[in-house]
Amino acid sequence: QSALTQPASVSGSPGQSITISCTGTSSDVGGYNFVSWYQQHPGKAPKLIIYEGTNRPSGVSNRFSGSKSGDTASLTISGLQAEDEADYYCSSYTSTTTLVVFGEGTKLTVL
Amino acid sequence: EVQLVESGGGLVKPGGSLRLSCAASGFTFSSYSMNWVRQAPGKGLEWVSSINSNSRYIYYADSVKGRFTISRDNAKNSLYLQMNTLRAVDTAVYYCAKEVTANPRRYGMDVWGQGTTVTVSS
Repeated sequence: QSALTQPASVSGSPGQSITISCTGTSSDVGGYNFVSWYQQHPGKAPKLIIYEGTNRPSGVSNRFSGSKSGDTASLTISGLQAEDEADYYCSSYTSTTTLVVFGEGTKLTVL
Repeated sequence: EVQLVESGGGLVKPGGSLRLSCAASGFTFSSYSMNWVRQAPGKGLEWVSSINSNSRYIYYADSVKGRFTISRDNAKNSLYLQMNTLRAVDTAVYYCAKEVTANPRRYGMDVWGQGTTVTVSS
């Protein structure tokens, strides 16, 4: 099972919006609404910020939003803040021999 | 407070074995599927294994199938990962993570432990 495809890095200035893509196949992202997004700061455990494609867990800022088109899911962060600088990972349920597949990860730099 | 605490990591020689534990508290452990996820040094997240609430449904990544065994003890609020025939490529921080919803599953993980480090080296 190959990892989902994410850009290695994205950047933006404070106050701007950025979007991170996550491309899979019809066996995962495209076939099911079970995409999750995680934020990970250096040396810390990942934090769930989006699940089931568009749902935010309690306590997660509404500056984070998720969407999907075909085999590609996207995470949009609006009103960028310095504390958003982190690594971001997508994941999806997969109907292949495994169960869950993660993306390669994207490093967000806030300029 | 909802919490997961991993233990059992350490240094082991190639071919050796290790058993990781994850102690859960602050939620009804027996209602939720649980996962193990690992992260090699400087690399991304890799899902390792998942077990549903009553241990009936168990899944593994292809990279660990046949070598790792996931299990749980709902009476002890604990999750385990028995790792055999360890290889250098298994070197990673291992996290246990709770499923975001009880039933049906949504395949998101909303509570993570702090991780335990496994190093496989001679």
